[in-house]
Amino acid sequence: AAGVIQSPRHLIKEKRETATLKCYPIPRHDTVYWYQQGPGQDPQFLISFYEKMQSDKGSIPDRFSAQQFSDYHSELNMSSLELGDSALYFCASRARGGVNTEAFFGQGTRLTVV
Amino acid sequence: AQSVAQPEDQVNVAEGNPLTVKCTYSVSGNPYLFWYVQYPNRGLQFLLKYITGDNLVKGSYGFEAEFNKSQTSFHLKKPSALVSDSALYFCAVRAPLGGYQKVTFGTGTKLQVIP
Repeated sequence: AAGVIQSPRHLIKEKRETATLKCYPIPRHDTVYWYQQGPGQDPQFLISFYEKMQSDKGSIPDRFSAQQFSDYHSELNMSSLELGDSALYFCASRARGGVNTEAFFGQGTRLTVV
Repeated sequence: AQSVAQPEDQVNVAEGNPLTVKCTYSVSGNPYLFWYVQYPNRGLQFLLKYITGDNLVKGSYGFEAEFNKSQTSFHLKKPSALVSDSALYFCAVRAPLGGYQKVTFGTGTKLQVIP
């Protein structure tokens, strides 16, 4: 069965550079969530989209932006990268169907800022 | 505000022995509870969830969890541990009307199964 695909799997950037992370949800899933997991930390919700519109916003820095496209894939854009942005970023997708539908997580993009 | 506590940073268990990873929660209303497993440099993999019904929930890879409302606990269990079960385990909770943006994760428990 198709899963949530994230690319790239690993990314190394220098401070002050920009990075773009991509998330391809499971087909027919219309909701995407982005999370950030720092080293030894629990995942923190960043932002979510439903039907290509931002649905909720968590602890996402102003330097970050995201969008969901017509094919439902989502991109997380990160600018002016800082060392503290080094983390595992993963997204989850979910189908419409009420509060009981399950979210499925991608394998994550490991971002290292040097 | 909802919260999840995983009191043990690490649990060590011998292969073949039963394992328990503890989780307690706090949430308004009836909770939706989840367990996820994370292998190094990988995303979260869903193991099981409790929404309603039987207090004993069976999930993937032989894991199960017991919902205890009076103790506000949702401990993860497995009768016989495998070395391949060694990973990081996260308990999570959300209120019934909250989406996954409202999920609160615990800090994780590292399970080490010793051959």
